[in-house]
Amino acid sequence: DGGITQSPKYLFRKEGQNVTLSCEQNLNHDAMYWYRQDPGQGLRLIYYSQIVNDFQKGDIAEGYSVSREKKESFPLTVTSAQKNPTAFYLCASSIFGRVNEKLFFGSGTQLSVL
Amino acid sequence: DAKTTQPPSMDCAEGRAANLPCNHSTISGNEYVYWYRQIHSQGPQYIIHGLKNNETNEMASLIITEDRKSSTLILPHATLRDTAVYYCIVRVAGETSGSRLTFGEGTQLTVNP
Repeated sequence: DGGITQSPKYLFRKEGQNVTLSCEQNLNHDAMYWYRQDPGQGLRLIYYSQIVNDFQKGDIAEGYSVSREKKESFPLTVTSAQKNPTAFYLCASSIFGRVNEKLFFGSGTQLSVL
Repeated sequence: DAKTTQPPSMDCAEGRAANLPCNHSTISGNEYVYWYRQIHSQGPQYIIHGLKNNETNEMASLIITEDRKSSTLILPHATLRDTAVYYCIVRVAGETSGSRLTFGEGTQLTVNP
């Protein structure tokens, strides 16, 4: 079945450590996105990419980095510069990245700081 | 994108229709209304979207008022599995726009047995 796979489901970060969250899709979608969700809050856009080797900052990009070397993969690195990284992270994709497309989401990664 | 306003929570009896309202009084003529839902600790799921006509699919119906300033998502026969946070979003149509999308806090729908 086609879909989006996020791994790991749970991740722990030590102080000063960078961690990378994986997102893979086999839907042949051009566009991919990363969102952050804090408890009881909605989703906020971190980064998005509409094509391989290109990506744009979302509303809360500080302390995060991404790469898009392959169409099917869009990993997110939470750097040590992100002072409050504990959150639920969601990856999504859409066909072309046009505004009137629906988004397909992964099951999320819960990141916690030790 | 236009701002939306939703009630923070609603309850519904199992088997009854759930009607979730959304206000988007600043919506523009080229903005679509989208609905997603999120079951606890899972990724959001697309439900339905529309521009100005009412829409229906296998999951729900979307009723948009004639002036397009509000809409209602209808789950015709709510089940316990419909308990989730429901997000109403308005988006500008256009091929060149990036899909920047911010979800608000949504409505927590609780379906009771």
